[in-house]
Amino acid sequence: SQQGEEDPQALSIQEGENATMNCSYKTSINNLQWYRQNSGRGLVHLILIRSNEREKHSGRLRVTLDTSKKSSSLLITASRAADTASYFCATVGSMEYGNKLVFGAGTILRVKS
Amino acid sequence: DAGITQSPRHKVTETGTPVTLRCHQTENHRYMYWYRQDPGHGLRLIHYSYGVKDTDKGEVSDGYSVSRSKTEDFLLTLESATSSQTSVYFCAISESPSQGTDTQYFGPGTRLTVL
Repeated sequence: SQQGEEDPQALSIQEGENATMNCSYKTSINNLQWYRQNSGRGLVHLILIRSNEREKHSGRLRVTLDTSKKSSSLLITASRAADTASYFCATVGSMEYGNKLVFGAGTILRVKS
Repeated sequence: DAGITQSPRHKVTETGTPVTLRCHQTENHRYMYWYRQDPGHGLRLIHYSYGVKDTDKGEVSDGYSVSRSKTEDFLLTLESATSSQTSVYFCAISESPSQGTDTQYFGPGTRLTVL
């Protein structure tokens, strides 16, 4: 399995601080994606980074990808209470058909106001 | 939000009974997926479909079957439910990866409890 592993499992920060979550995976990938899940809800796609990209930005989100280390990080800047959620990385294998995602176990982020 | 609905949203059933979960989309996306979410495991793929009547197994397919007779509907069946199938089930859709769009859109989930 190429299941990603996320670190830390849980993170608690103050509003306004930055939050960094890390993801590691095992096999070569086509792309890596980050999703957010609010309590009791479905997942929402945040950002996708392809294997030939090293960094990508979207609003307050910054994602980096290091394919040599098989790792990625998600940075949320100037966090808000509304960012409280679980965050999952998911990979699409380079040899896989069907755009199948393999998810990590997730990081629970709590932003205190 | 992508037009994805799941039914039922909650179900409690007894061991040994058959259960069918339905996913319905209005986006005309080609790919549809069923995942289960359990504490400590993230989401794991059960089955997926790449077109009408075209399905394939995922990582945790044992005990589950699927059917897709129309583009918009993807059914997940537990032939004889077991307590280990107590979970939250999510449906997802995506356009063809050949279009370069790999994002998946998720439904609201179905919470299934098998007693």
